[in-house]
Amino acid sequence: KQEVTQIPAALSVPEGENLVLNCSFTDSAIYNLQWFRQDPGKGLTSLLLIQSSQREQTSGRLNASLDKSSGRSTLYIAASQPGDSATYLCAVRGSGTYKYIFGTGTRLKVLA
Amino acid sequence: DTAVSQTPKYLVTQMGNDKSIKCEQNLGHDTMYWYKQDSKKFLKIMFSYNNKELIINETVPNRFSPKSPDKAHLNLHINSLELGDSAVYFCASSPHLRENIQYFGAGTRLSVL
Repeated sequence: KQEVTQIPAALSVPEGENLVLNCSFTDSAIYNLQWFRQDPGKGLTSLLLIQSSQREQTSGRLNASLDKSSGRSTLYIAASQPGDSATYLCAVRGSGTYKYIFGTGTRLKVLA
Repeated sequence: DTAVSQTPKYLVTQMGNDKSIKCEQNLGHDTMYWYKQDSKKFLKIMFSYNNKELIINETVPNRFSPKSPDKAHLNLHINSLELGDSAVYFCASSPHLRENIQYFGAGTRLSVL
């Protein structure tokens, strides 16, 4: 049974710092992995999707990496801004399934 | 133009009542989903429909019944509401099953008193 863990649960950093959010999963037989952002009282916004055959994906200041064999993904945020404050969730889709298993999220606060 | 819209945004009701949450997407997607986010913010899939066909049905009490009248709509009906049903329910859609970058609605906060 796939389990997805995100560490840390909460993170507070000063503006301008580069930071890394971690996601680990127990079953390496995955189809793809998505990183989402959730703002308070809002739905989720997909940030990056990495296929199982890919090592990383980039979008603007965001870079997500995937190491399937070790069951890990990281989300790197460069030059953080207060507008990056949100909860970040990773979600893993297993091979042979259509559903995503979500992590518990990392609540990020970027201080001005 | 909201891509995935769900109504109502808030729903407060008594135990034992029956309620429905509606979801519509104007993205032309084939696949739609219902998720439940509990008080600890843990998000879990409940149902998924692809072109009106049920493809994911997690271990959910049969008091919950999804209905997809067409591929742009996926409604969730809940019978005999219980306190434990209180949560935020999210609707989402994706282009199709293989490419499933998911687009979420803003959520419906259900409070059962």
